[in-house]
Parts: sequence; C-alpha cells; structure tokens
Amino acid sequence: AQSVTQPDIHITVSEGASLELRCNYSYGATPYLFWYVQSPGQGLQLLLKYFSGDTLVQGIKGFEAEFKRSQSSFNLRKPSVHWSDAAEYFCAVGAPGDYKLSFGAGTTVTVRA
Amino acid sequence: GAVVSQHPSWVICKSGTSVKIECRSLDFQATTMFWYRQFPKQSLMLMATSNEGSKATYEQGVEKDKFLINHASLTLSTLTVTSAHPEDSSFYICSVGADEQFFGPGTRLTVL
Repeated sequence: AQSVTQPDIHITVSEGASLELRCNYSYGATPYLFWYVQSPGQGLQLLLKYFSGDTLVQGIKGFEAEFKRSQSSFNLRKPSVHWSDAAEYFCAVGAPGDYKLSFGAGTTVTVRA
Repeated sequence: GAVVSQHPSWVICKSGTSVKIECRSLDFQATTMFWYRQFPKQSLMLMATSNEGSKATYEQGVEKDKFLINHASLTLSTLTVTSAHPEDSSFYICSVGADEQFFGPGTRLTVL
C-alpha cells in the first residue's frame, strides 16, 4: 500500500517570497502523484499531477513540482507567493489503475504581508 | 475535467437520526466513486469505494452498517450516515474519475 508524508505541518512565508512544500511517498513502483489545495471549508482543487515523463511538472497558479525517484519525493514550489496562496496543501499518491488516493497530513501555508 | 456536485453542502442533525449525502457526477459516467472523510485540521481518509450496481467496498475500520452507500446509477452515489453521533461530525467529500480524480465540494455534517 502507498503512503505519503508531508513533514511540514505549518509554513509561514512572506508575500513575494518563494515557497517549497515537501512531500515524500512510499510505493513499490512509479506512482501517480498529485498536489491539491484546499481553502477553508472548501473542496479540493488540483494544482498539478505527475503520471510519467518529464519529472518537472507545471501546474496552475504558478506552481511546479519535481518528481525525484531517488529521493521518493514530489516537492511543490512557487517562486513568488501571493496572499491568496494561503491555504492547506495536500500531497496525494495513487497506484496506476487503482483510482484510490492516499493523502498526506497536509501543510498549512500562511502568507504574511 | 469532470464536474462533481454534492448535496447538501452542510447539514446539522440530532444524535440518533440518519442523514443522506448525495454525490453527483454531472458530466462523467462513473462506475466507481470514492467517499472520503476529513476531520477538522486533518487529512482526507478514504472511507469506501462506491460501485455502480453492486456493493460498496469499505476500508478497514469503517462500519458498513453505519455508513450505507448506494450507487444506483452512473451519475449518483449516496452516503447515508445511520444513527449519527457527534463523533460522526466531519467533512465528507466524494470523488469520481480515473487516474485523475475530481472532487466534489464536500458536505459538512454536524451532529448535535
């Protein structure tokens, strides 16, 4: 079974600064990887996904993530955060052909002015 | 991507009553839907897989007699929380899709 670890529970970043959220997964083969964002009381919005191919993935809202097989990681980055990026971020892993997802514990991002 | 709706968006009920939550796939024929639960400040945990025309598959530790799932058509799955208790208060989210899942907006259940 797959699992996901998000080591950072809470990150505070200044507006305009860069952001990196860490995600490590456990899975025997190459997984499908996802980053979702959730605003308070809302559903999940997909930021980006990795299935195969180029290990640097571009997503919406200026986010990108890099799949590193050797480190079992899929870290999310944004060069310059906006106040609207304050939210909860979840990394998720799925097995190809098995549509169930396993989510990390989430990282809360606070953006200060 | 698929558009998924949930109804109601929030519900408050008394302890001991049953509550039904609907998940609709508006533009995707879903033979499988997934139900997740999210407690406050926590992550999403998969509860069960809803299978169109057959029994749902429950994750370990989820009481199937308490969380009844019906998937009667390719566009609708329902989750009924029977004899609800305060500890069932949570945010329930459904998803549909294939390798990429599309999530509904969630239903906030509060049991008094």
